[in-house]
Amino acid sequence: SQTIHQWPATLVQPVGSPLSLECTVEGTSNPNLYWYRQAAGRGLQLLFYSVGIGQISSEVPQNLSASRPQDRQFILSSKKLLLSDSGFYLCAWSIGSTEAFFGQGTRLTVV
Amino acid sequence: AQSVAQPEDQVNVAEGNPLTVKCTYSVSGNPYLFWYVQYPNRGLQFLLKYITGDNLVKGSYGFEAEFNKSQTSFHLKKPSALVSDSALYFCAVRDKDTGRRALTFGSGTRLQVQP
Repeated sequence: SQTIHQWPATLVQPVGSPLSLECTVEGTSNPNLYWYRQAAGRGLQLLFYSVGIGQISSEVPQNLSASRPQDRQFILSSKKLLLSDSGFYLCAWSIGSTEAFFGQGTRLTVV
Repeated sequence: AQSVAQPEDQVNVAEGNPLTVKCTYSVSGNPYLFWYVQYPNRGLQFLLKYITGDNLVKGSYGFEAEFNKSQTSFHLKKPSALVSDSALYFCAVRDKDTGRRALTFGSGTRLQVQP
C-alpha cells in the first residue's frame, strides 16, 4: 500500500535561516506531488505542485521554492525564512483523477 | 478558475442528531468533488469523493454527500452525529475538463458535536 512520509513534525527556526522540508511517497510511481500551507488552522493554500521529476509549478510568488530530485521525493526550501513563513505545511500526492493523500504535516514556527 | 465556498465557519450539533456541512463550488467544466477531515495538528484524511454516477456518495465513518449540479453544491451529511466527529472539515474541487491536477480547498468548517 502507499504511504507518505513528511518530516520533521515540528520545527522552530530563526528569521533569516534556511529551510528544508522533505516528503517522500512509497508504494506508487510517478505520483503528482503537492505542497500546501495551512494558516491558523483553516484554509489550505497550494504552494507548489509537480507532475514529474524536475517539473515544478509555483502557485504563489513567495519566499519558498520546491524541488523534485527523485520520482517520489518532494522538497520545500527557503534560503532565508521570514516571520510570515510560519504555518502548517502539508505534503500530498495523487494519481490521475483520484483524491489526494496527505502527510501528517510540519508545524513551522519562525522566531 | 475553480473555487469552493464553505459558508459556515462552525456547525454545532447534539450527539445523535443529523448533521450537514455545506459546500458550494465553481468550475468552468465538470467537477471532481471531495471531502476531507482534519484532527488537531494532523494531516487531512480523505472521507469521500464524487467523480461520476450516483449523486449520493457514501464514504468513511458513516458520512455521505449529495452532488447537486443545478445548485453547484456538495453538502456533507451524517444521519447521527458522534462526539468523535468533532473536527475540521474541508470540501475540495478539481475541474475534470482542465489539465489542472491540484485540488482547490474551501476555508473549512469546524464541526462541534455536543454530548
